[in-house]
Amino acid sequence: QKEVEQDPGPLSVPEGAIVSLNCTYSNSAFQYFMWYRQYSRKGPELLMYTYSSGNKEDGRFTAQVDKSSKYISLFIRDSQPSDSATYLCAMDASGGSYIPTFGRGTSLIVHP
Amino acid sequence: NAGVTQTPKFRILKIGQSMTLQCAQDMNHNYMYWYRQDPGMGLKLIYYSVGAGITDKGEVPNGYNVSRSTTEDFPLRLELAAPSQTSVYFCASSYTERLAVETQYFGPGTRLLVL
Repeated sequence: QKEVEQDPGPLSVPEGAIVSLNCTYSNSAFQYFMWYRQYSRKGPELLMYTYSSGNKEDGRFTAQVDKSSKYISLFIRDSQPSDSATYLCAMDASGGSYIPTFGRGTSLIVHP
Repeated sequence: NAGVTQTPKFRILKIGQSMTLQCAQDMNHNYMYWYRQDPGMGLKLIYYSVGAGITDKGEVPNGYNVSRSTTEDFPLRLELAAPSQTSVYFCASSYTERLAVETQYFGPGTRLLVL
């Protein structure tokens, strides 16, 4: 079992839909949870960052962490065609090596 | 700030050739990383560095070498190119203080094709 599991998709939704992207993990030591967005032929860029459990909201984006279930989610409200990209989750342990473990990424397509 | 820069953007190599992928950052970050990304496979760490003069292996180091003589530069060397090294290579850097360290800044990538 990989440390971080993420469905590669693609996930295709109509414009305006609420999108839910998810990752599961096996390492209970993970405390830092990140979501990166990667447009085609570009490098990843940090979208959201969460420490430990709970929710964090930034505009149309909400990151949610459920440590009891070892499950993290990224919600996108009112999705736009410009949200079409690959979304990678990443996580690291508290006091760890500063080397995050990445998921495979989920390809999201938002069609007009 | 230019952020993280990588050269070249694209390169075709013949089997057995060697090359160096360049990476530079102007943010005074201590940590630097090299990843490769194969289609649908996410990011795999090749090597990383915690500061000038200090490097360590990641998940897939075989066939690669790195050096870190300055804070700014972190070149990746392929000595004997093989078709299995066809991939997109990303360099990244980050701060070392805990609440900021998880923000990795990525370069635009180098696409390498080995034939």
